Amino acid sequence: ILNVEQSPQSLHVQEGDSTNFTCSFPSSNFYALHWYRWETAKSPEALFVMTLNGDEKKKGRISATLNTKEGYSYLYIKGSQPEDSATYLCASVSDFGNEKLTFGTGTRLTIIP
Amino acid sequence: DAGVTQSPTHLIKTRGQQVTLRCSPKSGHDTVSWYQQALGQGPQFIFQYYEEEERQRGNFPDRFSGHQFPNYSSELNVNALLLGDSALYLCASSLSIRRGAYNEQFFGPGTRLTVL
Repeated sequence: ILNVEQSPQSLHVQEGDSTNFTCSFPSSNFYALHWYRWETAKSPEALFVMTLNGDEKKKGRISATLNTKEGYSYLYIKGSQPEDSATYLCASVSDFGNEKLTFGTGTRLTIIP
Repeated sequence: DAGVTQSPTHLIKTRGQQVTLRCSPKSGHDTVSWYQQALGQGPQFIFQYYEEEERQRGNFPDRFSGHQFPNYSSELNVNALLLGDSALYLCASSLSIRRGAYNEQFFGPGTRLTVL
């Protein structure tokens, strides 16, 4: 993997269902992985930053895991609600001291009431 | 705390003109990064400022320049605008890693630039 890739590109989920999506990133020289939630016309909202292999973070119904050896992270949303509708972006950082974020193109999530 | 603020919200320019976008970082932050998001793409890193100096730069031409002021606010300048410069320009602020631990980057709502 040379770039940050996210899948799927878009997703429609019924309200109440759980869902997950993937972020793949270069595993060499990895330092950190960020997840952001971005609603239209608003600022991207920081969800998680993870640095260690095996890291798991949770915020309410949203959680994320990190595998730095194989270069992927999963974002999980449990019991989807309409307010979860947004674009979810991941971004990787390589090398300690390098604060440049390299973003994927995002997963656009739509919750169907 | 007002968070990261950007101005203006929207801007329309014509080809060849110059534009200046402004960013005020979150209170307590000393580092400002600029990103360009073109349609259908993820944000692309333009450059980062710390202590009033450009610390890192992405793959953008010299037409893109910036500045950081003593109060940590920042400007992004783009000269000789091209149609392809039409995009959402995002500013992010953070506390420099040089201050200790690695820190989150917080984003503003962006400036939508349209070049006609």
